[in-house]
Formats: sequence, C-alpha cells, structure tokens
Amino acid sequence: DTAVSQTPKYLVTQMGNDKSIKCEQNLGHDTMYWYKQDSKKFLKIMFSYNNKELIINETVPNRFSPKSPDKAHLNLHINSLELGDSAVYFCASSQETSPQETQYFGPGTRLLVL
Amino acid sequence: RKEVEQDPGPFNVPEGATVAFNCTYSNSASQSFFWYRQDCRKEPKLLMSVYSSGNEDGRFTAQLNRASQYISLLIRDSKLSDSATYLCVVRNQGGKLIFGQGTELSVKP
Repeated sequence: DTAVSQTPKYLVTQMGNDKSIKCEQNLGHDTMYWYKQDSKKFLKIMFSYNNKELIINETVPNRFSPKSPDKAHLNLHINSLELGDSAVYFCASSQETSPQETQYFGPGTRLLVL
Repeated sequence: RKEVEQDPGPFNVPEGATVAFNCTYSNSASQSFFWYRQDCRKEPKLLMSVYSSGNEDGRFTAQLNRASQYISLLIRDSKLSDSATYLCVVRNQGGKLIFGQGTELSVKP
C-alpha cells in the first residue's frame, strides 16, 4: 500500500546506455514530479506533470524525457547516460487543490553511471 | 546566490538539547514555506508547514519572518530519533518547490 513507488531502487549502468525509471502513485493526486538529488544533497526539480500535461520543465538535457501515460504514472527515460547523471532520482506527487499542497516522495532510485 | 540557504551543519547535540535551524530565501514573492525531514538514504517527508504567525507541533516550532526573508525551526528536548537532515523549502510564485541544501542534525546519547 505504498503511496508513491519507484522502480528500480538501484540502477548501475554503463555510460552511453539508455535506461528508464518508473513511478506510480496511488494517492489519486493530479500532479507528479521528478527531482534529482546530487552528491551535495541538493534536491532540484526536473519536471512536473499535471493531469498528464507537462507544466514544469527545468533546464534539463533533452536526453531526459518524462512520459505520463495516465495521471497515476510518471516515468523518466534517460538516453545516452553520462557520468554526471549519477544521482538519486525522486518521484513525488501532490494534489494541486490541497491548501498547502504537500508533496509526497517516492523512496528514490539510486543511479550510478560507470 | 542560492534561492534557499541553510547552514549545512552538522549540528551535534546531546539528547534533551534545544537546537535551532535557520534558513534564508532570496525571492520575496515566495508563497509558502515548509520544513521537510530526510533520513539517511530515505526520501524527504514533510515535517511541518510554516505560517506567518509561527506554529508549533509538539517539540517543533517554526517561525517565518517575511520582512527579513528568514525561516527558523526550533526543536526542543531533542531525541535520538530526531537525527536527520532538515530541509528548508520554499514554494515560489510559479508553484515550484525550492529546496535548501539541508542541515544535518545528529543527536547523541
């Protein structure tokens, strides 16, 4: 009954590969996000989707492509992985109409590019 | 200048101590303010929202000073289980959450 789940939890891959991370939320929220947390622990937003529509797209290389098949899922596909992509990627969701719009985070996907 | 700045610590305190974390933000149009907690190798979780009048939740007190663009979190009677990284978070007028680097707290017996 996990609220926001991500797969895989760990991902070790070679430079140049293409990989995907999946995210699902069962909270009925209408907004989902991808964040990247680097080695210095800064958590930065990458993308936000509201009801399957992209609403925030930060300055992220176009090797990163989010896809939202429905409002409960937001997947992240990364092409041509680079060493600098190594980080923890968190998915999150929120309900836009809630008063303080609390974001609920998934457990994270630890990506290591070798 | 970072949009949200915090002292990264670590803060090492004994059990029972009172500890205060400070945070400043640069965008005066920021709309909402929060403290999140992140345990080691875990996801961030909302600790509390921060309101202009100040608010308290048990041993935790949050304060906001909009004029100074300053947010604080006070933890009284620290417990071992309070050991974590505390993230100051600001929502800007575009709806994005901007996270500070986090302040690491270690409570020792």
